[in-house]
Amino acid sequence: AQTVTQSQPEMSVQEAETVTLSCTYDTSENNYYLFWYKQPPSRQMILVIRQEAYKQQNATENRFSVNFQKAAKSFSLKISDSQLGDTAMYFCAFMKPQVGNEKLTFGTGTRLTIIP
Amino acid sequence: NAGVTQTPKFRVLKTGQSMTLLCAQDMNHEYMYWYRQDPGMGLRLIHYSVGEGTTAKGEVPDGYNVSRLKKQNFLLGLESAAPSQTSVYFCASSVGSLRAYFGPGTRLLVL
Repeated sequence: AQTVTQSQPEMSVQEAETVTLSCTYDTSENNYYLFWYKQPPSRQMILVIRQEAYKQQNATENRFSVNFQKAAKSFSLKISDSQLGDTAMYFCAFMKPQVGNEKLTFGTGTRLTIIP
Repeated sequence: NAGVTQTPKFRVLKTGQSMTLLCAQDMNHEYMYWYRQDPGMGLRLIHYSVGEGTTAKGEVPDGYNVSRLKKQNFLLGLESAAPSQTSVYFCASSVGSLRAYFGPGTRLLVL
């Protein structure tokens, strides 16, 4: 079974600074997908970014980018020019593509606070 | 287009009572999921469905049952609620590996 580990339960950073959230995973699969989800105080789960394991290029979405190290099984999220609205829980998630059995496995989350 | 909706938003139960949580999606997705979220434990999969009339167990299925009689609805049942089932429950739907769409969550308190 796949496992996802987020070793930073809480982080805080000053507004406008850059912050990196860590995520490691364990799998024997070669083809899979990785995700970062954001959960603000509203509790709504919001997809931040998605990475396909067979793509070497790191995914980016505006101020959000990932550092995907497949050999090291590492998938960190970098938030540049952090904003107050980035305050949230961030979850790393893994999915193995398998028809009829596709489901997300989540890490325990990192609570990020952006300080004004 | 409402996306994924959950009913109710909040509920208080006494130990031993039963209830059903309703999830509805209007995106014609095949996959639907029920997760529970507990402090320090992330989201854990309870049950999921890969299409109308199908269900499968996830990581923490004990004490829950599900049904998917219609493609757009996925019901989660608690037959005899226990305090350990106090949690926030999230429903999600997806077209597989592209992305999952989550509902707003149901907060359940079992006394």
